[in-house]
Amino acid sequence: RKEVEQDPGPFNVPEGATVAFNCTYSNSASQSFFWYRQDCRKEPKLLMSVYSSGNEDGRFTAQLNRASQYISLLIRDSKLSDSATYLCVVNHFGNEKLTFGTGTRLTIIP
Amino acid sequence: NAGVMQNPRHLVRRRGQEARLRCSPMKGHSHVYWYRQLPEEGLKFMVYLQKENIIDESGMPKERFSAEFPKEGPSILRIQQVVRGDSAAYFCASSGNGGDSPLHFGNGTRLTVT
Repeated sequence: RKEVEQDPGPFNVPEGATVAFNCTYSNSASQSFFWYRQDCRKEPKLLMSVYSSGNEDGRFTAQLNRASQYISLLIRDSKLSDSATYLCVVNHFGNEKLTFGTGTRLTIIP
Repeated sequence: NAGVMQNPRHLVRRRGQEARLRCSPMKGHSHVYWYRQLPEEGLKFMVYLQKENIIDESGMPKERFSAEFPKEGPSILRIQQVVRGDSAAYFCASSGNGGDSPLHFGNGTRLTVT
């Protein structure tokens, strides 16, 4: 089983719709979780950290489910500018290496 | 620009030559990571360094690849005797507190081996 697994997509979603991605991780000792976005041929950029209690930043909501070992990202009222690849990132306590999922490609359709 | 600086942005090498990729972390950051991204693939961890120390090189190929982060100056990723399969985007990232902190990425170096 991969350390971090994501549905690669692509997800093609109409503008204004709500879309959600999940990401599963294999190590139950994982402690830190992040979502990044990467635009074509650019560097990954931090979208948001994921906290145990869940957190929201504008149209974006991140949640953590430790029992089932997954994190989720919800995007409401999607915009054309949300088109990107979304990367799930995980690390576990005592390991400084942050492991990236392969990413979920999202395209917002006008 | 206080961000992570990588250079060169693009590097073309012929097979058998050496490639040197440089990375200056964000000001105040002492943790540097190198990742490789092949076309249409995800980011693959290569190596994690702190000043003068390699902490985790579990993602580095055993041969031809080396990395350093000297006391003074940028971190260097060195690829000797490059082959076509080394063509990729190489991203450097830094953080202030290791794996518990998010990473800040540089623009990457796109290596093309001809």
